[in-house]
Amino acid sequence: ETVLTQSPGTLSLSPGERATLSCRASQSVNSNYLAWYQQIPGQAPRLLIYGASSRATGIPDRFSGSGSGTDFTLTISRLEPEDFAVYYCQQYGSSPWTFGQGTKVEIK
Amino acid sequence: QVQLVESGGGVVQPGTSLRLSCAASGFSFSSYGMHWVRQAPGKGLEWVAVISYDGSKKYYADSVKGRFTISRDNSKNTLFLQMNSLRPEDTAVYYCAKTRGGNIADVFDMWGQGTRVTVSS
Repeated sequence: ETVLTQSPGTLSLSPGERATLSCRASQSVNSNYLAWYQQIPGQAPRLLIYGASSRATGIPDRFSGSGSGTDFTLTISRLEPEDFAVYYCQQYGSSPWTFGQGTKVEIK
Repeated sequence: QVQLVESGGGVVQPGTSLRLSCAASGFSFSSYGMHWVRQAPGKGLEWVAVISYDGSKKYYADSVKGRFTISRDNSKNTLFLQMNSLRPEDTAVYYCAKTRGGNIADVFDMWGQGTRVTVSS
């Protein structure tokens, strides 16, 4: 099983600032099958990034993903009010599909 | 418009059973793999099970293997999760999710709104 560890647990930032979220895998992720999801409290998760760096349909270009192998990053270039949420990374290359524990981006 | 609507959640006692459903619309249901993911109160996301587009492949998390069964009825555009021998630690919101492509090894590009399951005596 591939364990995903996200850091930091909580990120306190102001609107307009840059957010950098990390996801580290316990073993290399197959074909960079690494995704990022956003979850606003009370809502279902929403796909942001797949294949480590491809934006999903309708996702603003302030969201970007990078990385390969075992180290991946989600960057939000300028935080908008609606971006304050919890973010999860996920590997989907093999069973069991696994998620990181999440990073909460909160308003400072 | 692509939509997934879960139902069947509720409050049940430990050791009992529950069957969740996920009604799909707005896409060719029989062409996509489908997953169940759960989220315990105040916790993160936990993958539960997956089924291929034709039902020929099924995989389960170790935490539910032997107790839960995933299935689908492509003629009714519906996904199911039969949950037996329920435990308090199965308490969670259960989401169904669609894969982006036909391969089960793909991202989850659409999620339902979730159905809540509470296992308590």
